[in-house]
Amino acid sequence: GNSVTQMEGPVTLSEEAFLTINCTYTATGYPSLFWYVQYPGEGLQLLLKATKADDKGSNKGFEATYRKETTSFHLEKGSVQVSDSAVYFCALSPYSGGYQKVTFGTGTKLQVIP
Amino acid sequence: SAVISQKPSRDICQRGTSLTIQCQVDSQVTMMFWYRQQPGQSLTLIATANQGSEATYESGFVIDKFPISRPNLTFSTLTVSNMSPEDSSIYLCSVPGLAASTDTQYFGPGTRLTVL
Repeated sequence: GNSVTQMEGPVTLSEEAFLTINCTYTATGYPSLFWYVQYPGEGLQLLLKATKADDKGSNKGFEATYRKETTSFHLEKGSVQVSDSAVYFCALSPYSGGYQKVTFGTGTKLQVIP
Repeated sequence: SAVISQKPSRDICQRGTSLTIQCQVDSQVTMMFWYRQQPGQSLTLIATANQGSEATYESGFVIDKFPISRPNLTFSTLTVSNMSPEDSSIYLCSVPGLAASTDTQYFGPGTRLTVL
């Protein structure tokens, strides 16, 4: 079956530090890959997505590249801010042509300190 | 993307009671989904609610415990029945995106339930 594995948190960084949150996946075919963010007290928001190999998703300074050879979709940001403190979920959908059940990772809590 | 609202945003309930959570979408959608997020955990899909048919439940979830209604294309309810403290969670509804974004899920703000 499909699965998503992401690095455990919490991750604590100082403001302006570089962020990497690792995510690897197991799936057949060509899934779509996502990063969702959940700010304190809120629901999940789509942060970025990529639908095919070598695609780079980006939003709000965050980036992730779909690496089929390593089955990875690591989230990066060059300079984090306190406002980036949230829980980040990596997820996959089996393929991009219509709805299929989404598989979520366990989430990684990021805390950015001033 | 769709705008999704949920009511209530939070509640504290006594064990043995039931709570109905509402989910309203600002556009017509065929499929709506209900998830549970237990404290510090990831999301678990409870069921898929299609308008005009019975909801489809995931393994470990049953209709008697989590009855779902889907009266029209913009609205759904999830009832958490005969609650126990183990039901304390965030309950989220979601809908798929439109056209080329049907692989993407859009979520409501969640209902934070505490059962005493």
